[in-house]
Amino acid sequence: GENVEQHPSTLSVQEGDSAVIKCTYSDSASNYFPWYKQELGKRPQLIIDIRSNVGEKKDQRIAVTLNKTAKHFSLHITETQPEDSAVYFCAATDQAGTALIFGKGTTLSVSS
Amino acid sequence: GAVVSQHPSRVICKSGTSVKIECRSLDFQATTMFWYRQFPKQSLMLMATSNEGSKATYEQGVEKDKFLINHASLTLSTLTVTSAHPEDSSFYICGTWTPNEKLFFGSGTQLSVL
Repeated sequence: GENVEQHPSTLSVQEGDSAVIKCTYSDSASNYFPWYKQELGKRPQLIIDIRSNVGEKKDQRIAVTLNKTAKHFSLHITETQPEDSAVYFCAATDQAGTALIFGKGTTLSVSS
Repeated sequence: GAVVSQHPSRVICKSGTSVKIECRSLDFQATTMFWYRQFPKQSLMLMATSNEGSKATYEQGVEKDKFLINHASLTLSTLTVTSAHPEDSSFYICGTWTPNEKLFFGSGTQLSVL
């Protein structure tokens, strides 16, 4: 089945710096790659997603890139702010193309 | 706003009792609901996929007799943790695809078994 690897597990940056989180997936049939932000005790919230027919997508300070050949995708956050501090999860669709399989998460800490 | 309503948000129960968690889709019909479990500081692990009108599909290692799933209507899926034990204490969260093809999660249920 699908396996999603995520790195790094923790990331500390200074306010204003950029943050990059990387994920790889195993199933070449996966076609949807979302990123979620989760604050303690709350539901994961979708922040950006990309489908396999595009290589990059940007929404203000957040961007996602996808390399289908290499089976990896990355989240880029520019001009980080303290409120960006949270756990970020990448995901990919499973073999059936219905459920999402998640990476292990990255705890991002932005210090002011 | 929320498109999936999950209740209760928190439950504390004694070992051996059963707990029911409900997830409702708001304003649209959810033929499929996914149930995940999340232990502290860990990722979301898919437990099962519930389909309206048919049996749920469980992931490997998840006991179907312990985690009963019912999806009797197009807007309601329930997860019942039967004979709960302390090791079942976890954050349980449901999710479903919205009409605009995004996976949206309920607010989660923190289960503590004493």
